[in-house]
Amino acid sequence: GDSVTQMEGPVTLSEEAFLTINCTYTATGYPSLFWYVQYPGEGLQLLLKATKADDKGSNKGFEATYRKETTSFHLEKGSVQVSDSAVYFCALSDPSVGGTSYGKLTFGQGTILTVHP
Amino acid sequence: EAQVTQNPRYLITVTGKKLTVTCSQNMNHEYMSWYRQDPGLGLRQIYYSMNVEVTDKGDVPEGYKVSRKEKRNFPLILESPSPNQTSLYFCASREGGTQYFGPGTRLTVL
Repeated sequence: GDSVTQMEGPVTLSEEAFLTINCTYTATGYPSLFWYVQYPGEGLQLLLKATKADDKGSNKGFEATYRKETTSFHLEKGSVQVSDSAVYFCALSDPSVGGTSYGKLTFGQGTILTVHP
Repeated sequence: EAQVTQNPRYLITVTGKKLTVTCSQNMNHEYMSWYRQDPGLGLRQIYYSMNVEVTDKGDVPEGYKVSRKEKRNFPLILESPSPNQTSLYFCASREGGTQYFGPGTRLTVL
């Protein structure tokens, strides 16, 4: 079945450091890929998405490129801020699973990011 | 404001005492779902609904029930809660490929 694997956390960085959170996936169809962010005490929010191979999603300085050849969707940011401290979830939506045109969302286990001043 | 609301936000209960967590969305979305979030496991889907009166099991449906009598509401029912249902629960509605999540309900079953 479909699955998403994220790098082990937690990740601790200093402000202005470069961030990479690795995400790889397995899917039976042609999935769309997502990064969601969960700030403390809140629900998940969509951060960015990509719907086909080689697409790059970007938002708030974060970006991720859909790499079909390596089945990856790594999240990057050039200079993190304290306000980026949150839990980040990689997810995929596979139209061949779940009986809808967009399929069921399958999440990775989440990566906790802490940014220190 | 477009949103998904859940109530209560926090709940402590005892084993076997029936409870309902409400979920409501004001975006007229057809697809709604419930997830539970546990450390190291990410989010796992409990139940989903593709429209009114259409519900189906997700990955971890045991011990839960849902109903979808109206488009905007999708309550989660625990008929006889057990300690292994202690978790953080999220309701979500979806438009196309994007899900919109509620703020979460932290449930503790003693």
